Amino acid sequence: EPEVTQTPSHQVTQMGQEVILRCVPISNHLYFYWYRQILGQKVEFLVSFYNNEISEKSEIFDDQFSVERPDGSNFTLKIRSTKLEDSAMYFCASSEGRDNEQFFGPGTRLTVL
Amino acid sequence: DQQVKQNSPSLSVQEGRISILNCDYTNSMFDYFLWYKKYPAEGPTFLISISSIKDKNEDGRFTVFLNKSAKHLSLHIVPSQPGDSAVYFCAAKGGKAGANNLFFGTGTRLTVIP
Repeated sequence: EPEVTQTPSHQVTQMGQEVILRCVPISNHLYFYWYRQILGQKVEFLVSFYNNEISEKSEIFDDQFSVERPDGSNFTLKIRSTKLEDSAMYFCASSEGRDNEQFFGPGTRLTVL
Repeated sequence: DQQVKQNSPSLSVQEGRISILNCDYTNSMFDYFLWYKKYPAEGPTFLISISSIKDKNEDGRFTVFLNKSAKHLSLHIVPSQPGDSAVYFCAAKGGKAGANNLFFGTGTRLTVIP
């Protein structure tokens, strides 16, 4: 069964460093998303991406964040200058269409020291 | 942001009995609701969904009920199996026109006792 994959599974970085989290969505899906879950809190929406542009973003997704689909398969989330409070599980998701179910990857645990 | 709430952090049920997980929401513009299951160290796995034009959707052992007037939905699992033990998240979307992002509840940890 097709699935969303994410790399790395765990990323440790120093505060102020840039990180890039990678995702490979399901191949025939057209909508891509990033969510995050801070330990003990809800899963929160960050950004959605369609047709090579951001379609929606939350208040969390400030200028430190960016997304890109550099080729036909990868979807990346970049955090330009990490802060301690960016430590969280980051989940990538994709859906076939706008109103279809979103399928999630296993997540990347980001630890900012 | 408390638009989707799951007030029971945990639930224990005997194998073979019914599990009922509850979810409340506050935004009357939500028009689509989903349940996800999550195991440790994995991402949420889609289980079942319901559109606001329906009040019930069934898929095997899983049934979701929607009460729009009460802004309440529930997930019934019957019969419950030990493999159902996981954290269950309720999610909703449609909070504003064109919005496709999901709003999640805090989750309910279900333990099915053999």
